[in-house]
Amino acid sequence: DAKTTQPNSMESNEEEPVHLPCNHSTISGTDYIHWYRQLPSQGPEYVIHGLTSNVNNRMASLAIAEDRKSSTLILHRATLRDAAVYYCILRDLGGNKLVFGAGTILRVKS
Amino acid sequence: SAVISQKPSRDICQRGTSLTIQCQVDSQVTMMFWYRQQPGQSLTLIATANQGSEATYESGFVIDKFPISRPNLTFSTLTVSNMSPEDSSIYLCSVEDSGHRYNEQFFGPGTRLTVL
Repeated sequence: DAKTTQPNSMESNEEEPVHLPCNHSTISGTDYIHWYRQLPSQGPEYVIHGLTSNVNNRMASLAIAEDRKSSTLILHRATLRDAAVYYCILRDLGGNKLVFGAGTILRVKS
Repeated sequence: SAVISQKPSRDICQRGTSLTIQCQVDSQVTMMFWYRQQPGQSLTLIATANQGSEATYESGFVIDKFPISRPNLTFSTLTVSNMSPEDSSIYLCSVEDSGHRYNEQFFGPGTRLTVL
């Protein structure tokens, strides 16, 4: 499984945008980039995923570099409820396994 | 989305005993997964459980220690056998329906296990 690298932690102010980076230099052509987050004392939840083009949904946006070796999860207006561990995961087309790295702990200040 | 419940939500057990964790989904799903999350750590996949076939275990996990059942498309159990304090973790099940267009996985709330 291709590896991802994320900062250990980040901090944001409430109501401000947050950019969570992820490096995946060994990504293969069939790897999708998935993001999950884990709120305190809960199981992980799906956030967004993409292959090549930038993606938007009601939770977040995913910006993917042209060479696909990095991506950024964007939370447009952080709230206290967004404080969680964010996991960037590469998942092969047709693959079912999610291989979780250490993730980024996001702290949101009021 | 799929709603997943796990029982028990937490338990404290004595070493040498076994605990069976149940995972119930509110809809039929093709794939179910069991993960372990040790204190302060990320999630590690234990095994994939498909209905009608033997579970597929990841490296470092064996059937004798973590037997899994998958009797139908909405239910699975994971047993943690002959427990030791090192088995103290949160155990989570997740599901995925290959027919779901996003192929996202949905996770249960977890079972917090403490082994004394």
